[in-house]
Amino acid sequence: AQTIHQWPVAEIKAVGSPLSLGCTIKGKSSPNLYWYWQATGGTLQQLFYSITVGQVESVVQLNLSASRPKDDQFILSTEKLLLSHSGFYLCAWSLGGGTETLYFGSGTRLTVL
Amino acid sequence: GDSVTQKEGLVTLTEGLPVMLNCTYQTIYSNAFLFWYVHYLNESPRLLLKSSTDNKRTEHQGFHATLHKSSSSFHLQKSSAQLSDSALYYCALSSPNTGNYKYVFGAGTRLKVIA
Repeated sequence: AQTIHQWPVAEIKAVGSPLSLGCTIKGKSSPNLYWYWQATGGTLQQLFYSITVGQVESVVQLNLSASRPKDDQFILSTEKLLLSHSGFYLCAWSLGGGTETLYFGSGTRLTVL
Repeated sequence: GDSVTQKEGLVTLTEGLPVMLNCTYQTIYSNAFLFWYVHYLNESPRLLLKSSTDNKRTEHQGFHATLHKSSSSFHLQKSSAQLSDSALYYCALSSPNTGNYKYVFGAGTRLKVIA
């Protein structure tokens, strides 16, 4: 069975500090990977997607970056956090694009102070 | 670009009453897929329903939805609400076009079922 693990569960960070969020998928080879973000009271916004190792496409510019260093790992990061980065971050995977079901991780709650 | 509208942010219902959560969408793609995801507290969001077929009823776990392309709607319904249905429900849209890996979500509707 496929499992998706996100870390950390929650973070409280200062404005201007760096951030690294991670996601690992086990039991599925070459999944498509996604990062989603939800501001408090907002909708789920797709930030990035990746269909293969080393290749990441940006969907929304939020002064964040993403990388896929291994087939089963997706990293979201920034060198300087902004207050506007606060929210809920979800990693997801799918078998393909467009018609396929997204399978989500449990998310990371980020508070920037 | 594509968009999904869920006008109700919160729907509060008494147990046993019917559920209807509204979803309308905009897209230029006639072959778009519509999805309903449910997010229970302390769990990961998961797929509830999906459809791309016009006027066909799709059912799962007591919920159903029919994609109506003429009105660009994909409303989620259930005949009788249960306390365990309390959750956040997202409507989402994507198109199966080559190279498309974008899923657009609505703002979500929180369903609160009370005794």
